[in-house]
Amino acid sequence: GQQLNQSPQSMFIQEGEDVSMNCTSSSIFNTWLWYKQDPGEGPVLLIALYKAGELTSNGRLTAQFGITRKDSFLNISASIPSDVGIYFCAGRGGGSQGNLIFGKGTKLSVKP
Amino acid sequence: NAGVTQTPKFQVLKTGQSMTLQCAQDMNHEYMSWYRQDPGMGLRLIHYSVGAGITDQGEVPNGYNVSRSTTEDFPLRLLSAAPSQTSVYFCASSYGHRAFFGQGTRLTVV
Repeated sequence: GQQLNQSPQSMFIQEGEDVSMNCTSSSIFNTWLWYKQDPGEGPVLLIALYKAGELTSNGRLTAQFGITRKDSFLNISASIPSDVGIYFCAGRGGGSQGNLIFGKGTKLSVKP
Repeated sequence: NAGVTQTPKFQVLKTGQSMTLQCAQDMNHEYMSWYRQDPGMGLRLIHYSVGAGITDQGEVPNGYNVSRSTTEDFPLRLLSAAPSQTSVYFCASSYGHRAFFGQGTRLTVV
């Protein structure tokens, strides 16, 4: 089946630094989504991307839908301690309506 | 403003026991799904439903059953729990391409 490769698996950064993570796929996706999961909680949607080349921001977060439709990246600028969590990319697969394929996550730790 | 509600939050089962994980949403979404989350594996789709009376299998359906008698509810049943089903289970309700997740059920099978 379709798989997403998300990297890096984990990051340890200093508060104030910028962060970049990405997802790649061997298949084309029509939609890319980025989620954040806090400990003990379910994932929460951060950004949704619907068109190849689309660049979308949500506060300090910026995500892009790759031109080839096989990749996406998420940048976080000027990180703060509450950015800690696991970030997941998800792509909408070509099969049944609404099914999402998730990456394995990037665990972000921020040192104050 | 409940969104997606999952119960219970924690559960310990013995091997061979059965149980039902409850999921309810109040957003009138047609599409609902169940995922399991295991360390280093991300979220994997177990079963999904595109509307009341319609269900289908996801990536890892074995050992689980679902039903969708109403738009609001989408319970997940474990018929005979196995240690391999120890995981965190998330229910999601979707509008368009956006999935909204519950807080999860942490299940341990001993």
